[in-house]
Amino acid sequence: SQQGEEDPQALSIQEGENATMNCSYKTSINNLQWYRQNSGRGLVHLILIRSNEREKHSGRLRVTLDTSKKSSSLLITASRAADTASYFCATGAAGNKLTFGGGTRVLVKP
Amino acid sequence: KAGVTQTPRYLIKTRGQQVTLSCSPISGHRSVSWYQQTPGQGLQFLFEYFSETQRNKGNFPGRFSGRQFSNSRSEMNVSTLELGDSALYLCASSLVPGQVTGELFFGEGSRLTVL
Repeated sequence: SQQGEEDPQALSIQEGENATMNCSYKTSINNLQWYRQNSGRGLVHLILIRSNEREKHSGRLRVTLDTSKKSSSLLITASRAADTASYFCATGAAGNKLTFGGGTRVLVKP
Repeated sequence: KAGVTQTPRYLIKTRGQQVTLSCSPISGHRSVSWYQQTPGQGLQFLFEYFSETQRNKGNFPGRFSGRQFSNSRSEMNVSTLELGDSALYLCASSLVPGQVTGELFFGEGSRLTVL
């Protein structure tokens, strides 16, 4: 079973709109990371947020982490067609493997 | 700086055969992890190697094995292939041991089809 579960599984938006996806996990973590994967390609690291952080920004990306609710959200502002991809959260805990969620497929329509 | 290189990119095998996949990490990275990605199961962790030692292993049968060489290059092998082994196999390298502390750098993957 997977540690992280993304919601929604799929998202379709117009270019220029914001895209928000959520990740829930089950056990205590050291950090949570978000990755992007274009169709059939490798994953690209987007952002890492540590368990003692609540919010982090990187360009058009904003990540929040609520350890009390064991959840995180990724917001992509002013989306572009190039943001069309699958987005995965990954959770890391001490001594354990990095575990990926099922992903959210995002389609940005021009 | 060259990225993570995986070979071959595509391959087709038949049931019962075995396959070896190769991964060259980013120069200076000593940790290599392997993942299997399928539409049904998503990204599943296979194993992690650091300095030629397996540090972590996922819940896969013994048909799946791997190793790491002194130059940090890694190989994974799947013996007695089954149809369900068809997947995209992703390799990732990281600078520090213990992937939980930093980001992973992924290769483009090896897409295995088992007929």
